[in-house]
Amino acid sequence: GENVEQHPSTLSVQEGDSAVIKCTYSDSASNYFPWYKQELGKRPQLIIDIRSNVGEKKDQRIAVTLNKTAKHFSLHITETQPEDSAVYFCAASNSGNTPLVFGKGTRLSVIA
Amino acid sequence: KAGVTQTPRYLIKTRGQQVTLSCSPISGHRSVSWYQQTPGQGLQFLFEYFSETQRNKGNFPGRFSGRQFSNSRSEMNVSTLELGDSALYLCASSVNRVDETQYFGPGTRLLVL
Repeated sequence: GENVEQHPSTLSVQEGDSAVIKCTYSDSASNYFPWYKQELGKRPQLIIDIRSNVGEKKDQRIAVTLNKTAKHFSLHITETQPEDSAVYFCAASNSGNTPLVFGKGTRLSVIA
Repeated sequence: KAGVTQTPRYLIKTRGQQVTLSCSPISGHRSVSWYQQTPGQGLQFLFEYFSETQRNKGNFPGRFSGRQFSNSRSEMNVSTLELGDSALYLCASSVNRVDETQYFGPGTRLLVL
């Protein structure tokens, strides 16, 4: 089955700097890659997703890139702000035919 | 629309007991997935239901079971509780498929003593 590895497990950045979180997946059939943000004590929320027919997607300060050949995808957050502090989870699925498999999460701390 | 709701929010049980957790999806959503969240392990998939049928199942023992009703509400049951079952149990709903936006509930925090 699918296996998703996520790195780093913790990340500290200065406010205004960029943050990058990387995930690798094992199943070449996976084609849906969402990213969820979970603030302390709150439920996970989708922040961005990408499908295998595109290589990059942006939404304001957040972007996701996908390299199908290498089987990895990354979350990029620019101009980080304290409210970006949270745990971020990547996930992968095969067209909804298989369950979402999540990485173990990255705890991002943005230091003011 | 009201969001995903879960009841109860907190539970304390002792080893050997059983527990039933409930999840009400967003109106119109037919897919409900359950996850176990523990520190350091992230979100581990338990099962997914669609139109009252279990569509996918994760690698959990048979003590973990679930069902979905005709109104898409879902329940999960854990029998013969073990200390290691202590976790936050999250459900998420989507319209039809897991590769659509999944909306999570607030979770049920289960503590097994």
